[in-house]
Amino acid sequence: AQRVTQPEKLLSVFKGAPVELKCNYSYSGSPELFWYVQYSRQRLQLLLRHISRESIKGFTADLNKGETSFHLKKPFAQEEDSAMYYCALSRAGGSTLGRLYFGRGTQLTVWP
Amino acid sequence: DGGITQSPKYLFRKEGQNVTLSCEQNLNHDAMYWYRQDPGQGLRLIYYSQIVNDFQKGDIAEGYSVSREKKESFPLTVTSAQKNPTAFYLCASSWGHQPQHFGDGTRLSIL
Repeated sequence: AQRVTQPEKLLSVFKGAPVELKCNYSYSGSPELFWYVQYSRQRLQLLLRHISRESIKGFTADLNKGETSFHLKKPFAQEEDSAMYYCALSRAGGSTLGRLYFGRGTQLTVWP
Repeated sequence: DGGITQSPKYLFRKEGQNVTLSCEQNLNHDAMYWYRQDPGQGLRLIYYSQIVNDFQKGDIAEGYSVSREKKESFPLTVTSAQKNPTAFYLCASSWGHQPQHFGDGTRLSIL
């Protein structure tokens, strides 16, 4: 069975400090991993996807298959990064992406 | 992203009453999903549909029902059998290997 674990329910950092939101997964096959973000009073939106290998809003995430992790990192946090972050997994392969399995989310607060 | 519209934004249910949440998309996406969002529990999948006239149960389908008569519509009914319906409900859609797009959500409360 597949499972996504975000061990931190809450995470607080000061502006300009590095931030790392942890995500671990369990899945016997080849996964696709995502980070979604939900800003206050906004809809849930895709932040980044591991196959894109992009940096969005200064965030990066590397899939580590050995450690089954997909941690989200940003070297210098900004106040506007305060939001709820969800890590999600989909089973790769097939003609469609299929359903997502979400972690419980991490609420990030960046203090001024 | 106005491609997915959920209505109403707020909904109140009386005891023993069924209520239906609307989800419409104009993105021509084949797949649609319903999630329930509770504080500290993340998003849990209720039902999903990959093509018209077909749908599958997710992880917490008990007390819910859906239909997919049209590609653009995937309504969710919260039945009286759902004993703890107070939550935020999110609808999403996707196509092929593209990531899911989400609506603004419906907040359901019990009177």
